[in-house]
Amino acid sequence: SQQGEEDPQALSIQEGENATMNCSYKTSINNLQWYRQNSGRGLVHLILIRSNEREKHSGRLRVTLDTSKKSSSLLITASRAADTASYFCATDVGGSNYKLTFGKGTLLTVNP
Amino acid sequence: NAGVTQTPKFQVLKTGQSMTLQCAQDMNHEYMSWYRQDPGMGLRLIHYSVGAGITDQGEVPNGYNVSRSTTEDFPLRLLSAAPSQTSVYFCASSYLHPGTVSTDTQYFGPGTRLTVL
Repeated sequence: SQQGEEDPQALSIQEGENATMNCSYKTSINNLQWYRQNSGRGLVHLILIRSNEREKHSGRLRVTLDTSKKSSSLLITASRAADTASYFCATDVGGSNYKLTFGKGTLLTVNP
Repeated sequence: NAGVTQTPKFQVLKTGQSMTLQCAQDMNHEYMSWYRQDPGMGLRLIHYSVGAGITDQGEVPNGYNVSRSTTEDFPLRLLSAAPSQTSVYFCASSYLHPGTVSTDTQYFGPGTRLTVL
């Protein structure tokens, strides 16, 4: 069963615009992670946010976590063509096991 | 550091053949895992390990075996390949977050693209 699911499935924007992707999950978690995957490549870690954190920043990335709504969002500001990739959220099942579950991803296309 | 390495990069098998996908990491990570990625399905966990000698099943373990004899290596064995195992396979490793039942940042290998005819 899918613990985390991203929304939207696909997003197309112009360079310079902001991109927002959302992740919803079903059970309590220890942490939530966001990853990027360029076509045909391995996944690259972006940000890890723990269940007791509400917001984290890394460069042009901002991640929020709302544990009451079981949701997270990833904001990419001032997007670039190089940000074109699939973005995945990954969650564990809090306190239960070491199984990390990935969503199906959001395909972001940034048009020059 | 080489990070997480996987071999081979590409493999074609015939139905019924067996093979081992290799994964190694040089970061002294306790946690290692195998995922398969199919179009439109995201990544699905096959097996994982929290240390040498300790393995457990993930979401889709059938048809695959693993062992963890050292901290560095975590091979994935396909016992009798089937066309349904055509996929891209990723190995990942991470530290375990102390004090919780939780993993940390996952470091992924470049993947093995497997085709079963």
